[in-house]
Amino acid sequence: QVQLKESGPGLVQPSQTLSLTCTVSGFSLTSYNVHWVRQPPGKGLEWMGRMRYNGDTSYNSALKSRLSISRDTSKNQVFLKMNSLQTDDTGTYYCTRDRYYGGYDYWGQGVMVTVSS
Amino acid sequence: DIVMTQAPLSVSVTPGESASISCRSSKSLLHSNGITYVYWYLQKPGKSPQLLIYRMSNLASGVPDRFSGSGSETDFTLKISRVEAEDVGIYYCGQLLENPTFGAGTKLELK
Repeated sequence: QVQLKESGPGLVQPSQTLSLTCTVSGFSLTSYNVHWVRQPPGKGLEWMGRMRYNGDTSYNSALKSRLSISRDTSKNQVFLKMNSLQTDDTGTYYCTRDRYYGGYDYWGQGVMVTVSS
Repeated sequence: DIVMTQAPLSVSVTPGESASISCRSSKSLLHSNGITYVYWYLQKPGKSPQLLIYRMSNLASGVPDRFSGSGSETDFTLKISRVEAEDVGIYYCGQLLENPTFGAGTKLELK
């Protein structure tokens, strides 16, 4: 069945780089777009960026200078790297998928990231 | 970026009654292909969001038909008929016409 699972460090120091992995199963990365969405504690959803099925990427303009998304189709993984982390980057980070503008029909369980020294 | 504005921020509903949540976009979400790229999600407490409605009025797989979506180019409504305890959570509208954005969310509670 379709699954997405985020993994990465739970704690990152300020000014350091966050590296997260989204491992998918039950579908192909060459058929679906994979997005990263984050949620600060007690707040709403913020779209961060996406890896399109064809390998193209696009980013939230507010994060673009710090953010990079890549993938390894052989491992069914999509990667997020964001540098210069600050305390307001604390939150839960989700990966999710869509195709043909059908909406985000499956989500990972999310990974909580705390930025603190 | 397209701004999505939801109202109200919270709503309290008696089980069995209906509820409506509004969402307004800062730009028309109606594409020239006739599709309106607005979506509705529910985030239950402690869970990941789940898709309820896609492309304004299409019910996502497995979603009860008590949920329905409607609207125009910039004004959208999610209606929940016969609210049940399992409907409690935060409802978000979102758009995919341009770089995705979400509304701030509407918290639904039971009276």
